Amino acid sequence: NAGVTQTPKFQVLKTGQSMTLQCAQDMNHNSMYWYRQDPGMGLRLIYYSASEGTTDKGEVPNGYNVSRLNKREFSLRLESAAPSQTSVYFCASSEFAGSYNSPLHFGNGTRLTVT
Amino acid sequence: DAKTTQPPSMDCAEGRAANLPCNHSTISGNEYVYWYRQIHSQGPQYIIHGLKNNETNEMASLIITEDRKSSTLILPHATLRDTAVYYCIVRVRIQGAQKLVFGQGTRLTINP
Repeated sequence: NAGVTQTPKFQVLKTGQSMTLQCAQDMNHNSMYWYRQDPGMGLRLIYYSASEGTTDKGEVPNGYNVSRLNKREFSLRLESAAPSQTSVYFCASSEFAGSYNSPLHFGNGTRLTVT
Repeated sequence: DAKTTQPPSMDCAEGRAANLPCNHSTISGNEYVYWYRQIHSQGPQYIIHGLKNNETNEMASLIITEDRKSSTLILPHATLRDTAVYYCIVRVRIQGAQKLVFGQGTRLTINP
């Protein structure tokens, strides 16, 4: 039981390049999330998918797009990377996005550097 | 948003109980208290959560005061692998999803 799996673990991009971060969960969760973590900023929600077929913006969606490919997979795309997007990206899943009583489970992150 | 306050650091001897406090005086009636930890640069690991009753699972116990303004996470027999940053979190629902309102966290060091 792997939980939440993210690929790649590390990535270096040049400004203007594009890439897609992949995330898959095997817990049969309905909801999936993308967060970024920066020093002193805590975790900030980029986008989330409350259920298969839906996606919504979080706190910091600019510069990102997402795709909920199926119930298991939720990808994050950077169309034109900028140095401000240098961060650690975490994918998470939970049983129900709308419930307070539904823990999030996180992957181990993708460390992205944009030069 | 409810905010949490935690001590920045704590030490505990291996094999002893580690008690990590958290203040969340602005918590509202339907907000749960969650505890996560982060080891090095790994993803946050879920530990336990509760609303108003004390909770226990295989990792830890959570004691919530009757007025719900504070809580304590207890690791009953700390090991060196429990060295991590521990976050007390109150989740707030925004637009149908959960916003994690992190405190600064407590850096717990388990000493041999």
